[in-house]
Amino acid sequence: QSALTQPASVSGSPGQSITISCTGTSSDVGGYDYVSWYQHHPGKAPKLMIYEVSRPSGVSNRFSGSKSGNTASLTISGLQAEDEADYYCMSYRRSSTLEGVVFGGGTKVTVL
Amino acid sequence: EVQLVESGGGLVQPGGSLRLSCAASGFTFSDHYMDWVRQTPGKGLEWVGRSRSKADGYTTLYAASVKGRFTISRDDSKNSLYLQMNSLKTEDTAVYYCSRFEGDYWGQGTLVTVSS
Repeated sequence: QSALTQPASVSGSPGQSITISCTGTSSDVGGYDYVSWYQHHPGKAPKLMIYEVSRPSGVSNRFSGSKSGNTASLTISGLQAEDEADYYCMSYRRSSTLEGVVFGGGTKVTVL
Repeated sequence: EVQLVESGGGLVQPGGSLRLSCAASGFTFSDHYMDWVRQTPGKGLEWVGRSRSKADGYTTLYAASVKGRFTISRDDSKNSLYLQMNSLKTEDTAVYYCSRFEGDYWGQGTLVTVSS
């Protein structure tokens, strides 16, 4: 069950905007509106940042999600030191042989 | 306040079994799909499986890597989710989290170490 494709790392200076991509197929990202993004600090539970391209209450509006074809994206605007973490995309996947959920490999965001 | 509390992790030998529990509170557990997700040491998050609600027949889904070895169940009367893990392999070593399907609430995780 191959993971969704994310860049291993992305970096930016405080105040800049960065975008993390998440590429899948028509059986997952491209075929359904069930893409979520999580922020994960080591040793803590993942935190939901975007759910179906919507932002849960309590999440900063500096975080936004979008999708085009088989690629979803998470944009962080006005980058802050506290945004430094690992970010994962997640999608529902359904094909002729399996149904389930798949994560991306994760992207380490570094604030320079 | 919504809470998810995992328990049951520990050290087990390859080929052994372990049962994890997730105690839920603060929401109507029976209405929600629930997931198990794990993070292996130094690696990313991996979805393990899902338990659908009674309304959808309590059906379950599994990742290919655990299908046939792991079984997810739930007891709505106890607001609890379970993960029965059999034929454990060293690569199953991870922190195991339970979460609501919506992804908005997660437990703190429980560590499972498979080693001889």
